[in-house]
Amino acid sequence: NAGVTQTPKFRVLKTGQSMTLLCAQDMNHEYMYWYRQDPGMGLRLIHYSVGEGTTAKGEVPDGYNVSRLKKQNFLLGLESAAPSQTSVYFCASSHRVGSNQPQHFGDGTRLSIL
Amino acid sequence: AQSVAQPEDQVNVAEGNPLTVKCTYSVSGNPYLFWYVQYPNRGLQFLLKYITGDNLVKGSYGFEAEFNKSQTSFHLKKPSALVSDSALYFCAVRDTVQLSFGAGTTVTVRA
Repeated sequence: NAGVTQTPKFRVLKTGQSMTLLCAQDMNHEYMYWYRQDPGMGLRLIHYSVGEGTTAKGEVPDGYNVSRLKKQNFLLGLESAAPSQTSVYFCASSHRVGSNQPQHFGDGTRLSIL
Repeated sequence: AQSVAQPEDQVNVAEGNPLTVKCTYSVSGNPYLFWYVQYPNRGLQFLLKYITGDNLVKGSYGFEAEFNKSQTSFHLKKPSALVSDSALYFCAVRDTVQLSFGAGTTVTVRA
């Protein structure tokens, strides 16, 4: 079982470059999430999706965009990367909220912006 | 808004000793609380959750957590720690769709 797969695992960008992080899940989960993890700050929610074709802002959405064209995929885009976006990015998925099922996480994408 | 706090950045214990990782919460309404563990260069792994019912919740890898409504706490415990329990632990509370995470507690178990 692959679970949640994130691509790429590492990336180094220059300020102003753009890129897309891909998240794929094979558990038929309705909900998907993008978080960033920074030292001493836990995980902060960037954007999330409650179903195909729908997205919503989380706690720290500025500078990011997302798309969920297929149920199994959730893309996170950086249009113009900034050094403040250097972080570890995690994707997660879960069944619908009402079931109180836990979120399942990928192993992260380590992104450095120079 | 719901929130959790983990008052200790680090916890150090000797192998075989009891391990406790503290978490306090602030919610309006019924709390839905979770514990996750993160090993180096890996994503978070679910350990256990409290929704309703018994105040003592049992989870994976021999961990358990005690829900205390009067103290608004949800401390993670393990009776006998292993070196392999060394990791970063996160407490979280469900806030509508989202999970709000604490800052994390690094646990080091020395042999």
